[in-house]
Amino acid sequence: AQSVSQHNHHVILSEAASLELGCNYSYGGTVNLFWYVQYPGQHLQLLLKYFSGDPLVKGIKGFEAEFIKSKFSFNLRKPSVQWSDTAEYFCAVNAPGGYQKVTFGTGTKLQVIP
Amino acid sequence: DAGVIQSPRHEVTEMGQEVTLRCKPISGHNSLFWYRQTMMRGLELLIYFNNNVPIDDSGMPEDRFSAKMPNASFSTLKIQPSEPRDSAVYFCASSLFGGEQFFGPGTRLTVL
Repeated sequence: AQSVSQHNHHVILSEAASLELGCNYSYGGTVNLFWYVQYPGQHLQLLLKYFSGDPLVKGIKGFEAEFIKSKFSFNLRKPSVQWSDTAEYFCAVNAPGGYQKVTFGTGTKLQVIP
Repeated sequence: DAGVIQSPRHEVTEMGQEVTLRCKPISGHNSLFWYRQTMMRGLELLIYFNNNVPIDDSGMPEDRFSAKMPNASFSTLKIQPSEPRDSAVYFCASSLFGGEQFFGPGTRLTVL
């Protein structure tokens, strides 16, 4: 069974600080990887995804993530956060090829202080 | 595309009452997921369907919860009888062949 670990539960940053949120997964085969964001009071929305190819994936709003297969990691980064990035961020994984459920991590709450 | 549609958006009911939450997935998607989100337990997968067939309902908390998907464009999650600890935001999501999931706006359920 696949699992996802997000080690940081709550991160507080000042505006313009750099962000890196950790995500490690456990699964023996090929994976699809996702980062979702949930703004306060809203539903989850896709930030970026990795299926194959270039392990450095760029998403919306200046976010990027790097897939490091040897470390089973898919960390999310942003060089300079804004107050509007305050949200909860979820890493997720599934196995490709049809009818696999997506396993979500427990989420990381990011608070950006103006 | 209208996205995933959920109704009602808010539901307030009394303990013991039956609650039915509804979801219309994105047209053409073949997988549908029901999640529950609370402060204490975070995001939990309750059940998911592929091609209208329930595949994994291991996340359904107990027999009071049931879900159906009578056709590709409609699903329900029913709680009978409801209890205060069922208060949560319930999300429905759909996807195509295990790809990106698209989430609905959620139903905020309050059981008094």
